[in-house]
Amino acid sequence: GQQLNQSPQSMFIQEGEDVSMNCTSSSIFNTWLWYKQDPGEGPVLLIALYKAGELTSNGRLTAQFGITRKDSFLNISASIPSDVGIYFCAGHRTDSWGKLQFGAGTQVVVTP
Amino acid sequence: AAGVIQSPRHLIKEKRETATLKCYPIPRHDTVYWYQQGPGQDPQFLISFYEKMQSDKGSIPDRFSAQQFSDYHSELNMSSLELGDSALYFCASSLRAGSSTGANVLTFGAGSRLTVL
Repeated sequence: GQQLNQSPQSMFIQEGEDVSMNCTSSSIFNTWLWYKQDPGEGPVLLIALYKAGELTSNGRLTAQFGITRKDSFLNISASIPSDVGIYFCAGHRTDSWGKLQFGAGTQVVVTP
Repeated sequence: AAGVIQSPRHLIKEKRETATLKCYPIPRHDTVYWYQQGPGQDPQFLISFYEKMQSDKGSIPDRFSAQQFSDYHSELNMSSLELGDSALYFCASSLRAGSSTGANVLTFGAGSRLTVL
């Protein structure tokens, strides 16, 4: 079953607006990764987080590793049309370095 | 920079046939992962290898098997194919080094799309 709860499932926003999505779990994670996937392509890494409380930015993207190590959020500021895609959170649990678990994804649609 | 190479990109098979997917990880990466992604789904973990030994196992059917070879490339073998096996199959690789920065960041290939008719 889904061990990472990602929300929202989808977002329809206007160009220039900010986007926020998050992932929660009942388990503790050692790493949180955020990926973006375009149709028919492989997921592409956006941000990697390694320590509880860590706040990392990559251009207009900002992500944080929750203090409890059970959650993470991703913000996109001033969205542009090329931000369209599916965003996945993913993480390694403390007892499972060989398995990266994914959330269900957030579909982002940006309208001009 | 070299990426994860998967082949073939597209594959069409009939039910009950066999398929083999290949993956060439990023040089010096010591861990290879296989994922299956159905339409509108998130990637589902199948299996991973660390230094050519099976590391973790996910929801991989018994009809599927995988291995990692001495040159670190990996193959996913799927037998007795069913319609439900139609999906995108991703290979990813990473460097496993505990929690040091840059470690355990999976780089994904472009995927192999399997269609079972």
